[in-house]
Amino acid sequence: IAGITQAPTSQILAAGRRMTLRCTQDMRHNAMYWYRQDLGLGLRLIHYSNTAGTTGKGEVPDGYSVSRANTDDFPLTLASAVPSQTSVYFCASSTDRGLGTQYFGPGTRLTVL
Amino acid sequence: KNQVEQSPQSLIILEGKNCTLQCNYTVSPFSNLRWYKQDTGRGPVSLTIMTFSENTKSNGRYTATLDADTKQSSLHITASQLSDSASYICVVIPSGAGSYQLTFGKGTKLSVIP
Repeated sequence: IAGITQAPTSQILAAGRRMTLRCTQDMRHNAMYWYRQDLGLGLRLIHYSNTAGTTGKGEVPDGYSVSRANTDDFPLTLASAVPSQTSVYFCASSTDRGLGTQYFGPGTRLTVL
Repeated sequence: KNQVEQSPQSLIILEGKNCTLQCNYTVSPFSNLRWYKQDTGRGPVSLTIMTFSENTKSNGRYTATLDADTKQSSLHITASQLSDSASYICVVIPSGAGSYQLTFGKGTKLSVIP
């Protein structure tokens, strides 16, 4: 089934631990994005990638890193998690940077204690 | 700073009734505006996309309008159903080099009750 998958669905993590959220799409979209969604706030862009091999910083990149080794995968890494990174994380993809419809994954609910 | 303001924050309506959600934005220059529906515990799903030159766009019982002069958009839902209960998010995409930097509203939480 075409679409975006994210793993894990949810995770509870101790502060200071390293965590990688996985995102895979099978639509051959060039652009991919990571957002966080917090109660009372709109979705905020963490990092994006216009095409395989390139990445860029969004609105709230601090404490997060990404890589884009191929078209399909776009993992998000928290090197040393902090409680303020407790959030719901959504991965998305689109055919073109910004202009095409963005398709969102189901989200990962992360709790940092 | 680019902003998108949505109103109301939440809304409760009876099944079968119509409703209208509002979106005001300050994003400029502006490429297009989208409405997304987000069910609880799910990712957002696109409902409509409008460029600055379009005034209205329909998708079934959903009709979006856009006034680029006043920087306002609305989403009208006709004959609401229980399945319309969700958050509706207005998203504005700037034009040019910053087109990856979408600006999301905080959403309107709609509850449709029998």
